[in-house]
Amino acid sequence: KAGVTQTPRYLIKTRGQQVTLSCSPISGHRSVSWYQQTPGQGLQFLFEYFSETQRNKGNFPGRFSGRQFSNSRSEMNVSTLELGDSALYLCASSFVAGDTDTQYFGPGTRLTVL
Amino acid sequence: KQEVTQIPAALSVPEGENLVLNCSFTDSAIYNLQWFRQDPGKGLTSLLLIQSSQREQTSGRLNASLDKSSGRSTLYIAASQPGDSATYLCAVNTGTASKLTFGTGTRLQVTL
Repeated sequence: KAGVTQTPRYLIKTRGQQVTLSCSPISGHRSVSWYQQTPGQGLQFLFEYFSETQRNKGNFPGRFSGRQFSNSRSEMNVSTLELGDSALYLCASSFVAGDTDTQYFGPGTRLTVL
Repeated sequence: KQEVTQIPAALSVPEGENLVLNCSFTDSAIYNLQWFRQDPGKGLTSLLLIQSSQREQTSGRLNASLDKSSGRSTLYIAASQPGDSATYLCAVNTGTASKLTFGTGTRLQVTL
C-alpha cells in the first residue's frame, strides 16, 4: 500500500505570492490533517478534513486555508505569503475509527519564502 | 490547553546502550499517545501508538509506556544503534478530531 504523498516536495516563493500544496492520503483513509513545522515553534496543527468537511482548525490566520476532495485528496493554500511562512508543511492521514487510529505522515513540502 | 514536554532535548550515547526518552503532558484526558521519529529534513515515521486504556506497547527494540494519571510516557530503546540517530517526538490526541499536540522532541545521536 502506497504511503502518504505530498507535492511538490520543495517550493520557493516570494512575499505576497500565494501557494497551493497537495496531499494524497493512504488509500482508504478518510482523514487528512496538516501541520506546520518550524525550528522556533515546532510542529503545529493547521487543520483537519474528514469526508470533505473541516473538522478542526488550529490557531493560524485566515491566509491559511484548505479543502478536501471526494477522493480524500487534500490541498492547502497560503495566500499573501510572509517570510515567517517558511516551513516544512506535513500532512497526515488516518482511517479514523473513533479517533484512535495511527496517523501516517507524508515526506512534507519544504516552502521557502524570499 | 494541552502542553507536551520532552526531556532531554538532546542525548548522545555510545552504540549498544539502553536509553529512555521522556514525554510529559499537562491534560491527562487523552485518547492516545503516539511516538514518532524524524530524520533531518524528512517527514515523521510512526513508531508506536498507545491507546489511553493501555499501559505499554512494544515493537522490536522499542517499548513505550503510558501513565495517563501522572501525564507521562517513556520510550525505551534497547541496544541502541547508529541507525537510531534521529529526533524522537511524542504527540497526544485529546480526541478533538485527529488533532495531535506535539512535544518539542529529543534529538538522539548514537555514536560508534
